[in-house]
Amino acid sequence: GAGVSQSPSNKVTEKGKDVELRCDPISGHTALYWYRQSLGQGLEFLIYFQGNSAPDKSGLPSDRFSAERTGGSVSTLTIQRTQQEDSAVYLCASSSLAGLYNEQFFGPGTRLTVL
Amino acid sequence: KQEVTQIPAALSVPEGENLVLNCSFTDSAIYNLQWFRQDPGKGLTSLLLIQSSQREQTSGRLNASLDKSSGRSTLYIAASQPGDSATYLCAVRVPGNQFYFGTGTSLTVIP
Repeated sequence: GAGVSQSPSNKVTEKGKDVELRCDPISGHTALYWYRQSLGQGLEFLIYFQGNSAPDKSGLPSDRFSAERTGGSVSTLTIQRTQQEDSAVYLCASSSLAGLYNEQFFGPGTRLTVL
Repeated sequence: KQEVTQIPAALSVPEGENLVLNCSFTDSAIYNLQWFRQDPGKGLTSLLLIQSSQREQTSGRLNASLDKSSGRSTLYIAASQPGDSATYLCAVRVPGNQFYFGTGTSLTVIP
């Protein structure tokens, strides 16, 4: 595709419900990252996928957060039993290789609001 | 743990001025540093990427410098335009392939 796409663009949910956020990386990009951007805060790393390797989950804030990447392409970030503090913009990025010098390309983000 | 700071948090300049945005990081063990812009409600757009072995990169009216030993980078914007108004973020890539981002500088260019 032309760029990284994310869906939905906006999601409003009630506290306690589960949500799924989707990321379609640039075709051929083997590395995929999820970040969270809270109001007035910098980007917070959540999880990183590289090819078929085990993902780096060190940034996930709690066990309510999980992510998977199917077929080395599309990724889904799942938040279970959402809390109000989960409200943020969730950004996905992809990179052609997990080499040292490659740029990240970002999607437009999903704005999650937990009521 | 790497910490990235951007100063100032907000900047307002008249159109046509040259300006400098600052980024500092606490651990010099980085692979590269990348500057992004973010428009309201949008994702991040990559502007410039500087390898750890490089000192600067240029693209059009933008020039980014890197002094790895002192943990600093600057983004220089020449002849600013209203369309440059956005939030500018810097990020460093560290061993382990994680990226650490600053909180950004919100730039307003006044026509």
